[in-house]
Amino acid sequence: SQKIEQNSEALNIQEGKTATLTCNYTNYSPAYLQWYRQDPGRGPVFLLLIRENEKEKRKERLKVTFDTTLKQSLFHITASQPADSATYLCALVGGANNLFFGTGTRLTVIP
Amino acid sequence: DADVTQTPRNRITKTGKRIMLECSQTKGHDRMYWYRQDPGLGLRLIYYSFDVKDINKGEISDGYSVSRQAQAKFSLSLESAIPNQTALYFCATSEVGDNEQFFGPGTRLTVL
Repeated sequence: SQKIEQNSEALNIQEGKTATLTCNYTNYSPAYLQWYRQDPGRGPVFLLLIRENEKEKRKERLKVTFDTTLKQSLFHITASQPADSATYLCALVGGANNLFFGTGTRLTVIP
Repeated sequence: DADVTQTPRNRITKTGKRIMLECSQTKGHDRMYWYRQDPGLGLRLIYYSFDVKDINKGEISDGYSVSRQAQAKFSLSLESAIPNQTALYFCATSEVGDNEQFFGPGTRLTVL
């Protein structure tokens, strides 16, 4: 069965630095991948979608890469701010266009 | 007003009780989903519906049932709640295709 791993449960980073989060998957060939942000006590909020034929996608301070050979996506937040502190989830599309989510990485940006 | 609403937001119940969680949306989306979220396990799909007449089991449907009363409403039922169904439950909606999912605020359910 498919397996999705996000590199670490928690990541602490100094304000102003670039945060890099990793999503690895196995037994899977997703047509696209999505990243979501989840704040405590709230539902996930969509951030970015990247397709299998796209290497990179950007949105403001966010950048996502997708390497189908390595079966990996990297999510970068440049010039990180304390307000970026949240849990970030990657999600891969499976059968019937449903999403399968990773367990998330909790990012803390330290002022 | 929120586009996807869930009621109740919190519920404590006892083993064996029947529980219904409700989800309503004003986004006009055909697709609706129910997930549960547990620490260390992430979001897992319980049921999904692509329109009022199309309901499908997800990854972990045992012990749950759903009803799609209208395009805007999708309810999740636990016929006889058990403690390992204690979790955070989310409803979500999406358009057809590879579009983003819009999540509700969640229902925190505790089964004693």
